[in-house]
Amino acid sequence: EAQVTQNPRYLITVTGKKLTVTCSQNMNHEYMSWYRQDPGLGLRQIYYSMNVEVTDKGDVPEGYKVSRKEKRNFPLILESPSPNQTSLYFCASSPGRWYTDTQYFGPGTRLTVL
Amino acid sequence: AQTVTQSQPEMSVQEAETVTLSCTYDTSENNYYLFWYKQPPSRQMILVIRQEAYKQQNATENRFSVNFQKAAKSFSLKISDSQLGDTAMYFCAFMISNSNSGYALNFGKGTSLLVTP
Repeated sequence: EAQVTQNPRYLITVTGKKLTVTCSQNMNHEYMSWYRQDPGLGLRQIYYSMNVEVTDKGDVPEGYKVSRKEKRNFPLILESPSPNQTSLYFCASSPGRWYTDTQYFGPGTRLTVL
Repeated sequence: AQTVTQSQPEMSVQEAETVTLSCTYDTSENNYYLFWYKQPPSRQMILVIRQEAYKQQNATENRFSVNFQKAAKSFSLKISDSQLGDTAMYFCAFMISNSNSGYALNFGKGTSLLVTP
């Protein structure tokens, strides 16, 4: 089944404890992206990757890191999480870099930073 | 800057009735795609329908259709024969592309739709 998977689905952590949220897609998509969703703000892009070893900042990259060593994986890293990073996170992928492509979303990761 | 505005935070409709969700956007680009995504209580993001900006014909997917007015920068979603399973948050979004910044989906803040029996 073609899908985007994220792990964990739920995570509660404390301020300053490094964490990684994994994202994997099995559709051989070139483009992958991370979004965060906050009440009243909709979804905002954190980082995106056009292909392996190619990443770039979105609208709200502060406090996050990403890597794209393999085409299928695009982990989101929080080196020192803070309470303002409590949010619902979505990973998404699409076949290519053109704006004609539909993005396919993962199921979301609910992160709480205490 | 690109912005998307959904002016209806909440809406309610009775089962089998028709409802229209509004969306306006602002961009200086000429080529872009418009989308409606549905987010049910499960929190999954599901594509409902998309529209190419260069096409004048409005997109249709079963009970879902759009009214795309490019000059007015308006992109409303009509749901016909509403079903209980249509209860969800609906997000309007559009996507542009340029060589300097890749591309991203720009989302509105969402409209919460409740379908009642």
